[in-house]
Order: sequence, then C-alpha cells, then structure tokens
Amino acid sequence: AQTVTQSQPEMSVQEAETVTLSCTYDTSENNYYLFWYKQPPSRQMILVIRQEAYKQQNATENRFSVNFQKAAKSFSLKISDSQLGDTAMYFCAFLGTNAGKSTFGDGTTLTVKP
Amino acid sequence: GAVVSQHPSRVICKSGTSVKIECRSLDFQATTMFWYRQFPKQSLMLMATSNEGSKATYEQGVEKDKFLINHASLTLSTLTVTSAHPEDSSFYICSARDRGTHNQPQHFGDGTRLSIL
Repeated sequence: AQTVTQSQPEMSVQEAETVTLSCTYDTSENNYYLFWYKQPPSRQMILVIRQEAYKQQNATENRFSVNFQKAAKSFSLKISDSQLGDTAMYFCAFLGTNAGKSTFGDGTTLTVKP
Repeated sequence: GAVVSQHPSRVICKSGTSVKIECRSLDFQATTMFWYRQFPKQSLMLMATSNEGSKATYEQGVEKDKFLINHASLTLSTLTVTSAHPEDSSFYICSARDRGTHNQPQHFGDGTRLSIL
C-alpha cells in the first residue's frame, strides 16, 4: 500500500518570504500522480498543483512550484512571495494508476505572518 | 472547472436523528465519489468509495449500517448517518472524479459540519 508522509506538522513564514513544505511517499508503482491541496480555515479543499511521475520537469503554478525527486520519492512544495491568504493546511496526495483513490498525508499547517 | 456541490453545509440535530448529506457533481459525471471524515487539524480519513449503480466500498473500521451510502446516478451520491450520536459529530467531505479521467485530481465539496447534541 502507498503511504504519504508529511514530516512538518506546523510551519510559519513571514509575508513575502519563501517556504518549502516537504512530502515523501512510498510506492512500488512507476507511473502515478502527485498533488498538493490547500485547505484554508474555510475548510474547502483546493487543488494547488499536480505532477505526473513520468514528467521530469517540475510543475509550476504562479508562486507555487514543486521539487519532484522520483528516485528519492520526494515531492516538496515551494511557495514564493508568501501571502497572508496562503495560511492554510496543506496536504500532499498520491494517486496510483490502479487504485482509483488518493492517499493523503497528515498535512502541514502553514501560517503566514505579517 | 469541475464543481462539486455538497449540502447541507451545517447540521445540528439531536441524538438519535438520521442525517442525510448530498454530494452532487454539477458539470461532470462521476462514476466514483469518495466520502471522508475529518477531525480538527487532522487529515482526511476515507470512509468509503461510492460507485454508481453498485454497493459502496467501505474502509476497514467503518460501519456500513451506520453510514449508508447511495450512488443512484452519475451526478449524485448521498451519505446517511443513521441514528447519529455525539461521537458522530465531525466534518464530512465528499469528492468526485470526472468519469473516464483516472489521472485527474479529485474535486471536493465544501464539506458538512455535523454536530449531534
């Protein structure tokens, strides 16, 4: 079974600074998909960024980018120019090609300080 | 983008009441929907996978008779918490994936906060 580990329960960053959230996973599959979701205090789950394992290029969405290291099974999220609205819980998720359901990490609570 | 509507957003009821939560995919068809439970500051706990036209697949430890799931159409799944008790109080979230797009992310509803008095 796949597992997803987020080793940082809580993090904080100053507004306008850069922060990196870590995520590691364990799988025997070669093709899979990885996602980062954001859950602000409103508790709505919002997709931040996705990465296909067969793509070597790291995904980027505006201020959000990932560092995908397939061999190391690592999928970290970098948030540049942090904004107060980035304060949320962030979940890393793994989706295999056969499972149909995603496996979520325990989440990292990020606080952006003014 | 794909929208999942979850209703109601908030429920407060007495112990022993049965509560139904609806999850609708508004602009896509969802063969599969997922039901999660989430405690404060914790991750999503998958309760069951709802399959259109067939029985739901429950995760280990989830009572099938307690949490009834019905997925009668490609756009609607319902979760009924039967004879709810205070320990059932939680945040419930549904999600769906567009039919035929296995590699796409799940689209989430806004969740239902259930409080049993």
